[in-house]
Amino acid sequence: DGGITQSPKYLFRKEGQNVTLSCEQNLNHDAMYWYRQDPGQGLRLIYYSQIVNDFQKGDIAEGYSVSREKKESFPLTVTSAQKNPTAFYLCASRRGSNTIYFGEGSWLTVV
Amino acid sequence: KQEVTQIPAALSVPEGENLVLNCSFTDSAIYNLQWFRQDPGKGLTSLLLIQSSQREQTSGRLNASLDKSSGRSTLYIAASQPGDSATYLCAVSIPLRNDMRFGAGTRLTVKP
Repeated sequence: DGGITQSPKYLFRKEGQNVTLSCEQNLNHDAMYWYRQDPGQGLRLIYYSQIVNDFQKGDIAEGYSVSREKKESFPLTVTSAQKNPTAFYLCASRRGSNTIYFGEGSWLTVV
Repeated sequence: KQEVTQIPAALSVPEGENLVLNCSFTDSAIYNLQWFRQDPGKGLTSLLLIQSSQREQTSGRLNASLDKSSGRSTLYIAASQPGDSATYLCAVSIPLRNDMRFGAGTRLTVKP
């Protein structure tokens, strides 16, 4: 079945550590997105990519990095510079301005 | 900057009731508006997409309307069921950046 796969579902980060969240899609979508969701809040855009080898900062990009080497993959690295990384992270993709599809999300907790 | 607001933040209704969820946005220059459902700890599932040229969309017991000039959309749920309990989010698609701006959501509880 076509869809978006995020892994891992749960991740724990120690202070000063970088961690990477995986996002893979087989929908043949050009655009991919990373959002962060905090309790009781809407989604905030971290980074997005409209084509391979190109990506743009969203509203809260500080402390995060991404790459887009393949159309299907858009991994997000949460660096040690992100001081408050505990949140629910959602990856999404879409073609043009059509319906956007989301993965099941990844929970990141700082320990 | 486009701002999206959803009121109320939470709503509790008895089973069988018809209900309306509200979404407002500050800039009418949008491509489309989308309504989503989110279950606890899960990703978002798209319910309805309304293009900027459309006034409404329907899917089963759901009907979404769009009034771009007033910056408002409503999601109407008919004959609510306990399985409808979830958080409902709306989002508008922003031109040029191919991005979407989300509201904080309305948490709906339908009591048996």
